[in-house]
Amino acid sequence: AQKITQTQPGMFVQEKEAVTLDCTYDTSDPSYGLFWYKQPSSGEMIFLIYQGSYDQQNATEGRYSLNFQKARKSANLVISASQLGDSAMYFCAMREGYGGATNKLIFGTGTLLAVQP
Amino acid sequence: AAGVIQSPRHLIKEKRETATLKCYPIPRHDTVYWYQQGPGQDPQFLISFYEKMQSDKGSIPDRFSAQQFSDYHSELNMSSLELGDSALYFCACSIGENYGYTFGSGTRLTVV
Repeated sequence: AQKITQTQPGMFVQEKEAVTLDCTYDTSDPSYGLFWYKQPSSGEMIFLIYQGSYDQQNATEGRYSLNFQKARKSANLVISASQLGDSAMYFCAMREGYGGATNKLIFGTGTLLAVQP
Repeated sequence: AAGVIQSPRHLIKEKRETATLKCYPIPRHDTVYWYQQGPGQDPQFLISFYEKMQSDKGSIPDRFSAQQFSDYHSELNMSSLELGDSALYFCACSIGENYGYTFGSGTRLTVV
């Protein structure tokens, strides 16, 4: 069963506007971590933001914030004031279990974001 | 700050050849993960190592093998290469209880 679902294959946003990238997840483990990564056309995987399942507040990192709705099992990424350099593929990923040396990341299928001038 | 180093960055091989990809994790990061990302696909977990022992295994073909050495670097060995093995191969590392995973820049393998 798909554990991470990203329903938006592609999105457009105007420069300087905010955009929300959707992510829903499925797990029966009470302890998990949610991650967002950016992958530009050059291919590297760049960490953006992390949310732990027990975190009370939504994570923020500069222009990135994570809208964490635990009951709905959603972890949407919000990018404020979009820039041309934000154009990239964005992956939502989940780690089940707390920390742990062996807990791999499971990725969603990604959302390709294009920022238009 | 030191990052995860992968070599080579690019590799072109012919069908049925072998390839070895290398990963040098951040110092003291004792867990290494290998991922395969096909064109237009999300990264798929292959295998992981913790303290030089295999800790988890994903969709890794039998033609592939991997190990982690005493200095914590890891190698992914791929034999009898097929056209479908063409992909971006990532190595990532983490420290046991740390939240974060740091990815290398990847090795882009092209099989012709």
